[in-house]
Amino acid sequence: AQSVSQHNHHVILSEAASLELGCNYSYGGTVNLFWYVQYPGQHLQLLLKYFSGDPLVKGIKGFEAEFIKSKFSFNLRKPSVQWSDTAEYFCAVNRRGNTPLVFGKGTRLSVIA
Amino acid sequence: DAGVTQSPTHLIKTRGQQVTLRCSPKSGHDTVSWYQQALGQGPQFIFQYYEEEERQRGNFPDRFSGHQFPNYSSELNVNALLLGDSALYLCASSSSGGSYEQYFGPGTRLTVT
Repeated sequence: AQSVSQHNHHVILSEAASLELGCNYSYGGTVNLFWYVQYPGQHLQLLLKYFSGDPLVKGIKGFEAEFIKSKFSFNLRKPSVQWSDTAEYFCAVNRRGNTPLVFGKGTRLSVIA
Repeated sequence: DAGVTQSPTHLIKTRGQQVTLRCSPKSGHDTVSWYQQALGQGPQFIFQYYEEEERQRGNFPDRFSGHQFPNYSSELNVNALLLGDSALYLCASSSSGGSYEQYFGPGTRLTVT
């Protein structure tokens, strides 16, 4: 069965600090990879996705993620966080096709001034 | 273009009761998936409906059932509610003929007392 591990439960950063959130998945086949964000009081929104091709994926709001197949990892990065990035971040994976998403437990990011 | 909509927003039920949650998919989408998000956890897949049939199911008991209508909207029914069913229930829609990217609704917050 697929599983997703997110290494950090809660991350606290100062504004302008760099961000890296870890995500590892377990599945031997071909997968799609996603990062979703849930801002306080809002619904899940897609930050970025990887289906194939360039392993460095750029998403919205300055976020990017790198797929490293040999490490089964898909880490999320942002060079300089803002207070408005305070949210819960979820890594998710599914098999190719219209298949269910398997989510990690999420990482809560708090950005302080 | 309306996104995924869900109703109601909040619901309070008593143990043993039954509940029905509703979802309207994004325009152009024909597949609906339901997820349960417990407090502090990532969403967990319940089941997926396509062509009015349950196509895939996660590890949830038979108390959880669903339906999809000809207009692609969907219902999630939960019988014999338990305290542990208290969670945010998310609906996601996708297109069987597209990129399979799943778009999430705002969710229904169910509290079982």
